[in-house]
Amino acid sequence: SAVISQKPSRDICQRGTSLTIQCQVDSQVTMMFWYRQQPGQSLTLIATANQGSEATYESGFVIDKFPISRPNLTFSTLTVSNMSPEDSSIYLCSVTGPEGEKLFFGSGTQLSVL
Amino acid sequence: GQQLNQSPQSMFIQEGEDVSMNCTSSSIFNTWLWYKQDPGEGPVLLIALYKAGELTSNGRLTAQFGITRKDSFLNISASIPSDVGIYFCAGLYNFNKFYFGSGTKLNVKP
Repeated sequence: SAVISQKPSRDICQRGTSLTIQCQVDSQVTMMFWYRQQPGQSLTLIATANQGSEATYESGFVIDKFPISRPNLTFSTLTVSNMSPEDSSIYLCSVTGPEGEKLFFGSGTQLSVL
Repeated sequence: GQQLNQSPQSMFIQEGEDVSMNCTSSSIFNTWLWYKQDPGEGPVLLIALYKAGELTSNGRLTAQFGITRKDSFLNISASIPSDVGIYFCAGLYNFNKFYFGSGTKLNVKP
């Protein structure tokens, strides 16, 4: 499976600021996703990061709040904009295996907003 | 979206006991996946199942893809303290999107 590196691993941010999370994969992958995991909850898909075009957002998530870039097949960023305490979550980058039937996760970014 | 009902929500067991958890859905899934998540970490894939009826083991872990394609279970035999964590099931729906269960929190008493 691909090695997925995410940074930062954790951060504590002030309300109203923005944080950009980076995801680097050690091999080219077709599908990359960003998930959010609120405290004590399951995983919720934010968006699919599309290489060279705008991300595809799930219902309830918008580009202004969670802008995503994917300049190539190994790298993506997620920005959490104008943060509020409700944005405190673990944010996870994920990729599918070559056949698209398995999903692998990075180690996550634990975000706390004060 | 699709709903995956995972149970139990949490378990408290003694070291050495066997554990069983399951996921059910009203929809058919193409793939069933089981993950373990430790605190502050991302989920780690334990077992992947691809065909109805498939039974797959990974050490002390055994998982099965239900015959109806609408359910899956995970068994852990002879539990040890490092099995502590949250276990998630996930299903690939319509070869297109992954859905997740709500998780089973496992506590193991030494």
